[in-house]
Amino acid sequence: AIQLTQSPSSLSASVGDRVTISCRASQDIGRALAWYQQKPGKAPKLLIYGASTLESGVPSRFGGSVSGTDFTLTISSLQPEDFATYFCHQFNTYPLTFGGGTKVDI
Amino acid sequence: EVYLVQSGVEVKKPGESLKISCKGSGYRFTSYWIGWVRQMPGKGLEWMGIIYAGDSDTRYSPSFQGQVTISADKSISTVYLQFNSLKASDTAIYYCARARGSDYMDVWGEGTTVIVSS
Repeated sequence: AIQLTQSPSSLSASVGDRVTISCRASQDIGRALAWYQQKPGKAPKLLIYGASTLESGVPSRFGGSVSGTDFTLTISSLQPEDFATYFCHQFNTYPLTFGGGTKVDI
Repeated sequence: EVYLVQSGVEVKKPGESLKISCKGSGYRFTSYWIGWVRQMPGKGLEWMGIIYAGDSDTRYSPSFQGQVTISADKSISTVYLQFNSLKASDTAIYYCARARGSDYMDVWGEGTTVIVSS
């Protein structure tokens, strides 16, 4: 199975900071990666798919990029409501897999 | 609007069986795949498997193959996740989610909490 390694596992940041979260795939998955946000006690929410396409309704401060097998989620200016855990998810090959998550503390 | 509504909290004993449900509405149910994702207490997301609601074509993660059964009843727009013999380690929140293609998941249910304890 394709492994996704997220880093860091947690981070602390301030409102207005630029935050980057990394996700490295164990093999080539093209652009078949999505990012989700999960708040405590809630279901995950789709933010980005196809490595960089913003889901409808998601604020433009969220962005995604890819270089080879390295994927990045960027929050350009952190807002209080962005306190959450973020997961990457590859959908290139079965079994589909998730990264371990990155918890963002404000 | 698209919704996935899941069945409620379950408290079971080890060895018991269980079938939880996920009912779709607001879209053409038979044109989409529905996946199941496990989240153990305080842990990350684990992809369990996926079913195409139109013809019940199903794929499983090797980690869950043989441990659970995913099925669908398109007449009532509902997908199921079945456990034959629960273990304490099955204690988790189980999410269903609609997949675009058979790929990423764009709409999620609220989750079903399953507690297995003697």
